[in-house]
Amino acid sequence: AQKITQTQPGMFVQEKEAVTLDCTYDTSDPSYGLFWYKQPSSGEMIFLIYQGSYDQQNATEGRYSLNFQKARKSANLVISASQLGDSAMYFCAMREAPWDQGAQKLVFGQGTRLTINP
Amino acid sequence: SQTIHQWPATLVQPVGSPLSLECTVEGTSNPNLYWYRQAAGRGLQLLFYSVGIGQISSEVPQNLSASRPQDRQFILSSKKLLLSDSGFYLCAWSVDYPHPYEQYFGPGTRLTVT
Repeated sequence: AQKITQTQPGMFVQEKEAVTLDCTYDTSDPSYGLFWYKQPSSGEMIFLIYQGSYDQQNATEGRYSLNFQKARKSANLVISASQLGDSAMYFCAMREAPWDQGAQKLVFGQGTRLTINP
Repeated sequence: SQTIHQWPATLVQPVGSPLSLECTVEGTSNPNLYWYRQAAGRGLQLLFYSVGIGQISSEVPQNLSASRPQDRQFILSSKKLLLSDSGFYLCAWSVDYPHPYEQYFGPGTRLTVT
């Protein structure tokens, strides 16, 4: 079964608009973590934001925020005031406990290709 | 500061040939190391991870293997490549402190098996 589902294969947004990228997850573990990564055309994976399952507040990092709705098992990424440089693939990922001696085993979604239009 | 290197950046290999991809991390000690593969247009799939020298855990049974001969060196190998081994291979590292949740990725190796 899919553990991470990203239902938007592609999104097109005008520059300076806010954009929401959807992510739903499936786990029966009460302790887990959710991540968003950005992958530009160069291929590198850039860590954007992290949300722990016990965190009370939604995570924020600059223009990025994570809209965490635990009951719905949803962890959407919100990018405010989008920029041309935001054009990239975006991946949602999840780690489940227990960790293996500290290793973080991540499961990734299929990704959403975001294109920012000038 | 920490950096992660992967080489080669690109590789074209015939079916049945061997493979060796190398990953090294600088600026940190005792990292957890990971190998991921990304098929075209897909998400990342964890192949192997290592929590210490000589300690390798496999997530997906296949014709690939991994080794960690030194603390900051992680090698992905194959004795005989298959067409299905084509993809983008990413190495990553994490440490238990201060940010155990963050994984940092290398620039990747694009492998084409012909």
